Amino acid sequence: QSALTQEASVSGTVGQKVTLSCTGNSNNIGSYAVGWYQQISHGSPKTVMFGNSLPSGIPDRFSGSKSGTTASLTISGLQPEDEADYYCSTWDYSLNAQVFGGGTKLTVL
Amino acid sequence: QVQLQESGPGLVKPSQTLSLTCTVSGDSISSDFYYWAWIRQPPGKGLEWIGYIFYSGNTYYNPSLKSRVTISVDMSKNHFSLNLTSVTAADTAVYYCARGPTAWVDYWGQGALVTVSS
Repeated sequence: QSALTQEASVSGTVGQKVTLSCTGNSNNIGSYAVGWYQQISHGSPKTVMFGNSLPSGIPDRFSGSKSGTTASLTISGLQPEDEADYYCSTWDYSLNAQVFGGGTKLTVL
Repeated sequence: QVQLQESGPGLVKPSQTLSLTCTVSGDSISSDFYYWAWIRQPPGKGLEWIGYIFYSGNTYYNPSLKSRVTISVDMSKNHFSLNLTSVTAADTAVYYCARGPTAWVDYWGQGALVTVSS
């Protein structure tokens, strides 16, 4: 069981806005920024967001936010190439460890 | 551009030690801002953090693996290594090395599949 909870699956159509969530507690998301990773077809993960910052080369249709113990990754203007598994992670000070969510499979219809 | 590359045996026998090395280019492993991490992904499953090391040698490990894991750094070769002892089939996974500033990863290696089998 993952320390962070993500939806198992989310779907959307091309051009739609979708939001993926990552829920933790005060020991992790409530205290630290969150990273988001995209993994296409079991390839190597790629970082698409850390905190509220967009890494170089990531389209600005990706954005991140956090409210309390829930972080969100929003993709505005969904594209076919966004279909992937998405994972979140942060630090947990009670576990003294980095923790990951179980991942969300995003399907573009 | 920071690049990380895993290397090591792709097949390890049960009860033996899994050893992998991550060679870093485009950054110095002696950076005092970043950590150097190992993360794994069993077939068909999600990502699991194994642990990380700072250039100073300070290490943090996943509590569930702590008794079997050692991560070390070799600044002269600009690489860091993973040793996981007493492996079983449950340790079969793609192992990624990565860089990050504390709570997240910013660069990932390509991954190395390690199969535990006799």
